[in-house]
Amino acid sequence: GAVVSQHPSWVICKSGTSVKIECRSLDFQATTMFWYRQFPKQSLMLMATSNEGSKATYEQGVEKDKFLINHASLTLSTLTVTSAHPEDSSFYICSASLGDPRRSNQPQHFGDGTRLSIL
Amino acid sequence: GQQLNQSPQSMFIQEGEDVSMNCTSSSIFNTWLWYKQDPGEGPVLLIALYKAGELTSNGRLTAQFGITRKDSFLNISASIPSDVGIYFCAGQLGYDKLIFGTGTLLAVQP
Repeated sequence: GAVVSQHPSWVICKSGTSVKIECRSLDFQATTMFWYRQFPKQSLMLMATSNEGSKATYEQGVEKDKFLINHASLTLSTLTVTSAHPEDSSFYICSASLGDPRRSNQPQHFGDGTRLSIL
Repeated sequence: GQQLNQSPQSMFIQEGEDVSMNCTSSSIFNTWLWYKQDPGEGPVLLIALYKAGELTSNGRLTAQFGITRKDSFLNISASIPSDVGIYFCAGQLGYDKLIFGTGTLLAVQP
C-alpha cells in the first residue's frame, strides 16, 4: 500500500493565486522529504529537500520565494506555489524515505503527484 | 539539473518478449534504484541496489549494480501488457538526493 500521500491530486487555478500542496508520510516519521517537478514527457527534477524543523534546501535555479516549503511535523511537508503563472503548470511529486536517510539507506517512496494547471 | 543517461528512450515489443534497459553516469553512486511510473501517478519503486556488482530480482524483473558504480541495467522477462509505462533509473548521492534517468517508455503489444 501507499506509504506517502499527496493532496490534492489535481488543481486548476487562475494566474496570480497561490496553491498549497501537502505531502504526508503514512504510519512513519520522515525527517526529510523531497519535492520534484516533472514536465510532460520529461524526467523528475529535484526542486528542494524539505527538512523537519529547519529551512528547506533548494536546488540551483529553483526560487525559494516562489516555492515555499514548510516541514512543520515529522509526517507533513507542504509546498506552496506563490503567485502562480502558466509556466508553473506541471506535475509536482513528493517523496520520503522510511527512516532517517542520514542513518539508513532506505529508498525513497513517492506520492501520487499533484497536477497543477494555471490558467 | 543533472540527469542520468538512460537507454533506450522507448521500446515497442510483443507480449512475451524480454526487455533490457540501462543507465549510465559519469559519477559514482552509492545506490541505484529502478522505478516505474504510470500516467498521472508517482513513480513506484521496483528494485533497490546497494552494492557494486549486486544482482537483485523481483519477480520477472532483474537489476544489477555495475561494478564501476556508474551504471545499472534492468531486465524484464516475459513481458505482459501491464508492464507498459515509463521506467526510470535513479542514482542516490550519499543518503538523500536522487538523480533520475531520462526514462524509458515501454509499450507492450498483446
